Amino acid sequence: RKEVEQDPGPFNVPEGATVAFNCTYSNSASQSFFWYRQDCRKEPKLLMSVYSSGNEDGRFTAQLNRASQYISLLIRDSKLSDSATYLCVVNALSDRGSTLGRLYFGRGTQLTVWP
Amino acid sequence: EPEVTQTPSHQVTQMGQEVILRCVPISNHLYFYWYRQILGQKVEFLVSFYNNEISEKSEIFDDQFSVERPDGSNFTLKIRSTKLEDSAMYFCANRDRGDKNIQYFGAGTRLSVL
Repeated sequence: RKEVEQDPGPFNVPEGATVAFNCTYSNSASQSFFWYRQDCRKEPKLLMSVYSSGNEDGRFTAQLNRASQYISLLIRDSKLSDSATYLCVVNALSDRGSTLGRLYFGRGTQLTVWP
Repeated sequence: EPEVTQTPSHQVTQMGQEVILRCVPISNHLYFYWYRQILGQKVEFLVSFYNNEISEKSEIFDDQFSVERPDGSNFTLKIRSTKLEDSAMYFCANRDRGDKNIQYFGAGTRLSVL
């Protein structure tokens, strides 16, 4: 069973384009939701948390639909520096029912922004 | 952004050898995690550690793996007898109790088992 599934990509877009990534998760008990970005052979870095009401951080907008178990990320006005792999990340309760549980990562969607 | 430090950045070892990967956590961040990422694959959880004991471990974290905080500061992952399939990036992550499970990752150790 795949806990987190993402668009396979890759996405290749010109500078200034708007691009959207989608993600679904299988565990309805999931508590926290995130988008991380990962540059080639680097560590995952938090891009933004995702809240039920939807949230925005500059050019980035994240949405969560708990009923559909669906998460999205919208990037407006793409920059060259946005080129990276975007990881959809979800946490679940631990075996002891704690919210300190593991993070489940999707395989990532690769984005390349070209000039 | 808070910084997690990992050493070494790259470790090359022979199959069957023991390796110890080290992590210096963020000060006052009390929850520790190890993840690994095999080249081209997704990031996978190995183990979480809190209050000097393992909180949770995955099916990957078998008897060949162990974790500890030997001096109350550094956090280590030991692989007792490495296999070829242990070759991967190993990431240490931290969080504090205030965050909504936001985990900060170190730069990783690339382990190459020959």
